[in-house]
Amino acid sequence: EVQLVQSGAEVKKPGESLRISCQGSGYSFGKFWIAWVRQLSGKDLEWMGIIYPGDANARYSPSFQGQVTISADTSNNTAYLQLNSLKASDSAMYYCARGYGVDSWFDPWGQGTLVTVSS
Amino acid sequence: DIQMTQSPSSLSATVGERVTITCRASQGINAYLNWYQQKPGKAPKSLIYAAATLQSGVPSRFRGTGIGTEFSLTISSVQPEDSAVYFCQETYSASCTFGRGTVLEI
Repeated sequence: EVQLVQSGAEVKKPGESLRISCQGSGYSFGKFWIAWVRQLSGKDLEWMGIIYPGDANARYSPSFQGQVTISADTSNNTAYLQLNSLKASDSAMYYCARGYGVDSWFDPWGQGTLVTVSS
Repeated sequence: DIQMTQSPSSLSATVGERVTITCRASQGINAYLNWYQQKPGKAPKSLIYAAATLQSGVPSRFRGTGIGTEFSLTISSVQPEDSAVYFCQETYSASCTFGRGTVLEI
């Protein structure tokens, strides 16, 4: 079974940094893209960026370029989303999802990582 | 930026009814349009990709149509388990924008 398992919920203070992980299993991890999607207030979805683990080629949404860093480690089939200088407005659910290309659909999705930023 | 406008924002249907959700792109996106279903407390799930291709395992009552700027997701005979939020997403642009979702109540 193809599966993406994300790291657990996080509570951070403003200004702190955070790295969320997404481990893939049941498929050849290095041969599919991994995208990151943010969901605010349980509703609006925002595509943040995507990476091809096989060569670490990463693309970012213009809205998130420079704000986040996406990376991957094929030795442990894991992709990462780095969030720096966290703000309260970064509080959201973050999902990873497998993609078939830069412009493809996402399937499956990870279970989500809830990030709360509060002083 | 491409804007994706979904309508309606919410709708209520009875079991067996035919339901259609539309998604309009602010500029042409060819067939780079995907549909997802999200149930409460769960991650989104892929339903339709490339505007009209049914994801494996998705019931055949789901159908996607459209090209260019106008797209539709139709559920031919809605079932209780179809109660969810439905999102469209374009993957034509560098932003891969999602629509704001349609809440379907059964």
